[in-house]
Amino acid sequence: AQKVTQAQTEISVVEKEDVTLDCVYETRDTTYYLFWYKQPPSGELVFLIRRNSFDEQNEISGRYSWNFQKSTSSFNFTITASQVVDSAVYFCALRGSWDSSYKLIFGSGTRLLVRP
Amino acid sequence: DTAVSQTPKYLVTQMGNDKSIKCEQNLGHDTMYWYKQDSKKFLKIMFSYNNKELIINETVPNRFSPKSPDKAHLNLHINSLELGDSAVYFCASSQSQNYGYTFGSGTRLTVV
Repeated sequence: AQKVTQAQTEISVVEKEDVTLDCVYETRDTTYYLFWYKQPPSGELVFLIRRNSFDEQNEISGRYSWNFQKSTSSFNFTITASQVVDSAVYFCALRGSWDSSYKLIFGSGTRLLVRP
Repeated sequence: DTAVSQTPKYLVTQMGNDKSIKCEQNLGHDTMYWYKQDSKKFLKIMFSYNNKELIINETVPNRFSPKSPDKAHLNLHINSLELGDSAVYFCASSQSQNYGYTFGSGTRLTVV
């Protein structure tokens, strides 16, 4: 079965702290794609990153970084020096190659609250 | 230009009514989707169309009927609305497996 687990329901940090959002996935496929989306209080879903299963290089984009570990089926997301504007719900998602539908399966989301 | 646009943004209606939500994408993508986000923020796929052909129908009550007149449009019609249909409905599109989805801004449906 394909599944994404975000065990942290809610995280609260003080501004400038670093925070890591965990994501663990399950899939039988050897080729798959992992994503992170941000949903700010305004409600839209904002694409952050896509990673394919053959690329285990970590990625850094400004204050954001992602750590992909196939051995532990994890794709964790770290925000360095968090800011109030980072407050949002963050979703990890998985898309496999088991069919042609390109279905994206989401985790349940982690609500991040960054306090001033 | 908005890449994926949904209308209306808000919809408040009474139980038993029939309503439609429209979605259009100008990205040239082949595949479009409807997702439902409930009050606990769970995002679940409902339907997917590829080039006007239905390819996903995820155990959704048959009161929900998607329609795709062309590959740039995917509308969602809901008959006999129930309280439990209250949610945010997101439309999305994608070109292929190699890319993520582009989401619309969502339609907040409230059934009273």
